[in-house]
Order: sequence, then C-alpha cells, then structure tokens
Amino acid sequence: TQLLEQSPQFLSIQEGENLTVYCNSSSVFSSLQWYRQEPGEGPVLLVTVVTGGEVKKLKRLTFQFGDARKDSSLHITAAQPGDTGLYLCAGESGGYQKVTFGIGTKLQVIP
Amino acid sequence: DSGVTQTPKHLITATGQRVTLRCSPRSGDLSVYWYQQSLDQGLQFLIQYYNGEERAKGNILERFSAQQFPDLHSELNLSSLELGDSALYFCASSPLSRGGLAGVEQFFGPGTRLTVL
Repeated sequence: TQLLEQSPQFLSIQEGENLTVYCNSSSVFSSLQWYRQEPGEGPVLLVTVVTGGEVKKLKRLTFQFGDARKDSSLHITAAQPGDTGLYLCAGESGGYQKVTFGIGTKLQVIP
Repeated sequence: DSGVTQTPKHLITATGQRVTLRCSPRSGDLSVYWYQQSLDQGLQFLIQYYNGEERAKGNILERFSAQQFPDLHSELNLSSLELGDSALYFCASSPLSRGGLAGVEQFFGPGTRLTVL
C-alpha cells in the first residue's frame, strides 16, 4: 500500500508569516495534486504537478514536485486568514485505481 | 459552489442498516467518483463511473456498491453498516474518463456525513 505522509498535521500561525507543508512518500508518483478543503465542504483542486522538479505558482502559493517524484511541498508566503483550511496531497501511480491521498495538514491563520 | 450536489447532507442510522447516498454531477460531466473521508484514514477513493459504466475501483468494501444512471446521477449503497463506516462521503465529477489525476480536475460535492450508532 502506497503511503503519503503529510507534515505537519497541524499548523497555527499568525497572519503575514510564511509556511511550508510537506507531502512525502517512498513511492514514485506519476502525478501529484494539492487540494484545499474548508470545513463542511469538499476539497478544491489547487494544482497538479507531473514532472520531477516542477515548480508551479498560484499567487502566494508555490508548489514543488521533488526531482524523484516521491515528494512535494507547498509554500505559502504572507499567509492570510483566508488560507485557513485542510491541505491535502494526492499521488497517482498506475492510473486512478492507485490514487493515494494524504491525511492532510490543518492550517489555521490567526488574524 | 462546485455544481455537484449530494443528498442527504447528514444521515444518522444504526448498525446493520442500509443507506443510499445520492450524487448529481456537474452538468455535462460524465465521470463520477466516490470517496470516503474519516479522521484516521483521510480521503480514500472508493469507485469511479464513467457514462454509466464502472471505470475504476479503489478501496471499496463488498458491503458497498454504486451505480450511475442514464441521467448520470449516481448512488452509493452502504449495507450491513458498522460503526467504522461513520465518515464523510464525497462525490466528485469530471468531464473526462481518463484514468489518473494528470490533467483531470475533479469537482467535489459538499459531502454526506454518515453517523452509524
């Protein structure tokens, strides 16, 4: 069973701080997605990365896929209260039958 | 609002019972995915349907079954319920059938919270 470990599990920071959350595995993934989920709602896709070493930016969010395609990171610059939520990563290996989600990082940004 | 609707929003039932969760995909989306989200195991992919046919199967128990109807709505049937089945159940839809995440954006519904007492 492929395992995606996300760290930290919980993070509480002040508005304006920077943060990085991680998604790690011992398995190689052909692609990886990051989602944000708010309480009472379903996850919303933020980004998909497919190439080792790929970096994608979405406003204040920077996503990186590891060179070996086993890990990924999400960096948020100048966090805002609207960034509060559960951040999930999902890795794919061998088609949709082999999609694995991490448990997520619960982020709280305090005004 | 993702355009995906799920009913009911909350469901409370007893062990041994059977329930049906319903999902209506976004207009025009042919693929429907079902997920289970629990605190200790995170989001787990259960099953995917594309245009009425089963496309991919994940960690779905034999007590669970699903189908997609000609109007593209889908139902997830959970039977012989156990306490451990208590979880959030999400449906997602996408326009594509392609297996895998790359290039496939899924739109998630608000979920059904199932509580088994």
